[in-house]
Amino acid sequence: NAGVMQNPRHLVRRRGQEARLRCSPMKGHSHVYWYRQLPEEGLKFMVYLQKENIIDESGMPKERFSAEFPKEGPSILRIQQVVRGDSAAYFCASSPPPGRNTEAFFGQGTRLTVV
Amino acid sequence: QQQVKQSPQSLIVQKGGIPIINCAYENTAFDYFPWYQQFPGKGPALLIAIRPDVSEKKEGRFTISFNKSAKQFSLHIMDSQPGDSATYFCAAAGGTSYGKLTFGQGTILTVHP
Repeated sequence: NAGVMQNPRHLVRRRGQEARLRCSPMKGHSHVYWYRQLPEEGLKFMVYLQKENIIDESGMPKERFSAEFPKEGPSILRIQQVVRGDSAAYFCASSPPPGRNTEAFFGQGTRLTVV
Repeated sequence: QQQVKQSPQSLIVQKGGIPIINCAYENTAFDYFPWYQQFPGKGPALLIAIRPDVSEKKEGRFTISFNKSAKQFSLHIMDSQPGDSATYFCAAAGGTSYGKLTFGQGTILTVHP
């Protein structure tokens, strides 16, 4: 999973600020997935994107959260007006286009702390 | 119906023991069942995965057993080592995207020397 690059690794934001989390997929991977992991819990799916297209955002909170994967550059998960409850580890995974053997590989995560 | 239930929540074994972690699912559309290993401060790393057309898969010291009729699968770690101490997550996916995973709650495994 070293091939999926996430930055920053740690991010501290005050309540009300914006948080931007970046994810560069593995070489050759065109599909990106974002997950959130609250302390002592498993990972929860948020959104699935391919270049310039949101495929599935069924796990995204309705407000303040957005994601994009532009034609050039990394995928961005954006959290506006952060609150304490947004404090969590956010993981990005990438995969090739869907198929029988297309497994996803995770990055190291961004740990967001809202103070 | 989307849940994957994992047990136990934590597990302690001695070196050389065989910890077993169990998972159960409801959604019959799931057809891909991976296990991930996560160390503190790191991302989940794919350990081993199985599809429902086989009942068992072994890779090194790690074995997945799969019971399609019971909708259950489990991870066995043979000859466990202190370096195996980590959190283990089962997951499930189906359809066209194996990257959209439903995770279990995780099992914290401690292997004592």
